[in-house]
Amino acid sequence: GQQLNQSPQSMFIQEGEDVSMNCTSSSIFNTWLWYKQDPGEGPVLLIALYKAGELTSNGRLTAQFGITRKDSFLNISASIPSDVGIYFCAGMNYGGSQGNLIFGKGTKLSVKP
Amino acid sequence: ETGVTQSPTHLIKTRGQQVTLRCSSQSGHNTVSWYQQALGQGPQFIFQYYREEENGRGNFPPRFSGLQFPNYSSELNVNALELDDSALYLCASSGGLSYTFGSGTRLTVV
Repeated sequence: GQQLNQSPQSMFIQEGEDVSMNCTSSSIFNTWLWYKQDPGEGPVLLIALYKAGELTSNGRLTAQFGITRKDSFLNISASIPSDVGIYFCAGMNYGGSQGNLIFGKGTKLSVKP
Repeated sequence: ETGVTQSPTHLIKTRGQQVTLRCSSQSGHNTVSWYQQALGQGPQFIFQYYREEENGRGNFPPRFSGLQFPNYSSELNVNALELDDSALYLCASSGGLSYTFGSGTRLTVV
């Protein structure tokens, strides 16, 4: 099935460091979403972006919807141990009969205290 | 406001058997989608239900089928299970632009 190109695949960082991950697509989307998934749980929405060029923050998290509508990035500032998990980007074209999400393969984040 | 609940949480089935997974949508959400997440991968869209009708389908064979009930809860049925069907099955309910996922059902096919 179709998946977005998400990088990096994994990151090992020191507590307090900033993190950046991004997602690209060959198709355009009108919505970009960023999720975090902990082991044994479903994805939890972190940030939703609905407009090209939009920059949105949620606490220490900042995400941007690329101007071309084919990419997005997520930054986490001053990482803490509870940021550990797998981060997924997802694109969606809401409207019409379908609103399904296309996911990236995920970025696994490990934080060393 | 209740979230999305899925049952069962874990399930072991034998190849060739049939399985039914259940999902209760979040209050106020009228659309339910199902996703398959293989180990180490992102979720893959199976299908979506809106007002009890299938409203979109991903690249999955017909042995994957579903239902949505008047209370917006949903079932995912998989016939003739194969080993590759082993995965985490996620249900997501949505209303407008808001998507909420359940914790999933871990299906193991042996």
